[in-house]
This record gives sequence, structure tokens and C-alpha cells, in this order.
Amino acid sequence: GAGVSQSPSNKVTEKGKDVELRCDPISGHTALYWYRQSLGQGLEFLIYFQGNSAPDKSGLPSDRFSAERTGGSVSTLTIQRTQQEDSAVYLCASSLGTASGNTIYFGEGSWLTVV
Amino acid sequence: AQSVAQPEDQVNVAEGNPLTVKCTYSVSGNPYLFWYVQYPNRGLQFLLKYITGDNLVKGSYGFEAEFNKSQTSFHLKKPSALVSDSALYFCAVRVPWRNNRLAFGKGNQVVVIP
Repeated sequence: GAGVSQSPSNKVTEKGKDVELRCDPISGHTALYWYRQSLGQGLEFLIYFQGNSAPDKSGLPSDRFSAERTGGSVSTLTIQRTQQEDSAVYLCASSLGTASGNTIYFGEGSWLTVV
Repeated sequence: AQSVAQPEDQVNVAEGNPLTVKCTYSVSGNPYLFWYVQYPNRGLQFLLKYITGDNLVKGSYGFEAEFNKSQTSFHLKKPSALVSDSALYFCAVRVPWRNNRLAFGKGNQVVVIP
């Protein structure tokens, strides 16, 4: 597609429920990142995928968070047993590769509210 | 470690006046620096980047940034601010030993006053 596409754009869920957030990167982009933006925490790195390599999960805040990327394209971020502190904007981004000069392009985000 | 700092929380500027959003960096090796803008309830939009070459980088929406190695700065500038430039601005740096992810500053809220 023309840009990074994320769905849902907004999600309100009850505490304890599981949620799935989807990201469709720019066509041909091999690198995919998930970031979280919450009040007072700024932009936090969550997870990184590059091609068929093992993902870098070092930013995931707890084992309730997981992500996968199928076929080197679409990615899904799953949050199990959501807590109120999970309320944030989840931003997906992609780039052509991991060279330092490559631009990372972001989607519009999935705005998650846990009530 | 690669990091950027945005020392101001909010920048207020009158419409038509020059706009400057400050960013300083701390890096090992060559810096790869980026600016992004976030309009209300939107994602991050890429404005411009510095890789190498000319110290003055031109980007989208009339923005430019000046890379200054001696002052370790990468300030974002616009000669004449518009009300529509009111947004949150993020400076970021690539972290080579962390899969070249971006490390972001805290962000600056820019308010352009009509």
C-alpha cells in the first residue's frame, strides 16, 4: 500500500480481555517496528522484525505482550489480559531495510483504551 | 549511547514569526538524525533527516534543520510559522547496535498563535 496501515484505529476494551492490533507495512519494506506512545512515557520501542530473522523482542514490557509477522509482511501485536496501564497509542512503522540512512515511516496508530 | 534531548516542553510562537524547535544529540560515530511531526490524534509523519553532506537539510511543509557538529545540535526551523504547524515535534536518532531503531526525544509541543 501507499503507507503503513494499522487497524483498528481505536479500540476500547475491558480490563482482562485480550486485544490484537494489526499492521500492514509499506509494500517491499522488510523492516517492521512497533512502538508505544503513552502519557509521561514518550515513545517506547517494543519489537522489531527484519525479514526472516529472529525478532528483537527486547522492548516488550511483559510476557502479556507478543507479536508475530506472517510471510514477512503483516504483523499482529497481541496484548493478553489487558491492564489499564496498557492504555496507549500503539504505532507501527516500516522501512526499506535497516541501513542507517533509511527512513522509518509510521502508521496512524491504534489508540487503545482499557477500562 | 545514542540519544537526543529536546530541552523545551512547549514552544509558543506568533503566526508569521520564525519557528525553532531545539534538539541536541549524543552519539558514538556518525549521527543519523530525524525529525517527525505528530498532529492531534494522528501518527508520526516524517519531516526530514540528516545522514551526511550539507549541514542544512530541507524537508516537508517548508521545514528545514541545521546540523551543527560543534554544538551537537540539529534544530528544526521554519521561517514563517502557520497556525496549522501547531503539533508535537519529535527529534530522533538511529541506534546502530539496536537494529538501527529510532531513539526519540520527549517531544516538543508547538503552539502557533494567530
